[in-house]
Amino acid sequence: AQSVSQHNHHVILSEAASLELGCNYSYGGTVNLFWYVQYPGQHLQLLLKYFSGDPLVKGIKGFEAEFIKSKFSFNLRKPSVQWSDTAEYFCAVQTGANNLFFGTGTRLTVIP
Amino acid sequence: NAGVMQNPRHLVRRRGQEARLRCSPMKGHSHVYWYRQLPEEGLKFMVYLQKENIIDESGMPKERFSAEFPKEGPSILRIQQVVRGDSAAYFCASSPQGQANTIYFGEGSWLTVV
Repeated sequence: AQSVSQHNHHVILSEAASLELGCNYSYGGTVNLFWYVQYPGQHLQLLLKYFSGDPLVKGIKGFEAEFIKSKFSFNLRKPSVQWSDTAEYFCAVQTGANNLFFGTGTRLTVIP
Repeated sequence: NAGVMQNPRHLVRRRGQEARLRCSPMKGHSHVYWYRQLPEEGLKFMVYLQKENIIDESGMPKERFSAEFPKEGPSILRIQQVVRGDSAAYFCASSPQGQANTIYFGEGSWLTVV
């Protein structure tokens, strides 16, 4: 069965620190990949997505992610985090059957 | 995304009662997904529906939970005889026909069972 793994449960960073959140998936077929962000008490918002082409994807708010097919990974990065980036981040994989599966999420706390 | 409307936003039920959560997809969307987010856990897929048809219900608990998406009206997630463990945020998402890679989420419904 397909699965999505986010290894970091809770990450705490100081402002201006660099961020990398890991995401690995297990699915042998073609996938679409997503990162979503959920601010406290709010709904999910799409940060970025990868369907095909350049494996380095740029999203909103300075986030980017790199798809490494050989490693089944899609890690999220940001060079310099801000306090307003404090949120929960979810990696998601969409399979050929058009269903969307999420990782367990990573809580990011940015300390001013 | 404000286009996917969920109600109620907050629902309190006593143990043993029924909970009904509604989701109106974005205009023109014919596919609906339901996810559950338990405290301290991630989003868990529950069910994927298109109008009058359940496509994938592999994430639905075997008992007490059901979902429908009728030809007219919103999708409904129904939880019978609720228990404390059902307390969670329930998120609905929708997508257009054949474009399931464009999925929009509602703001969620928070169920509290007391």
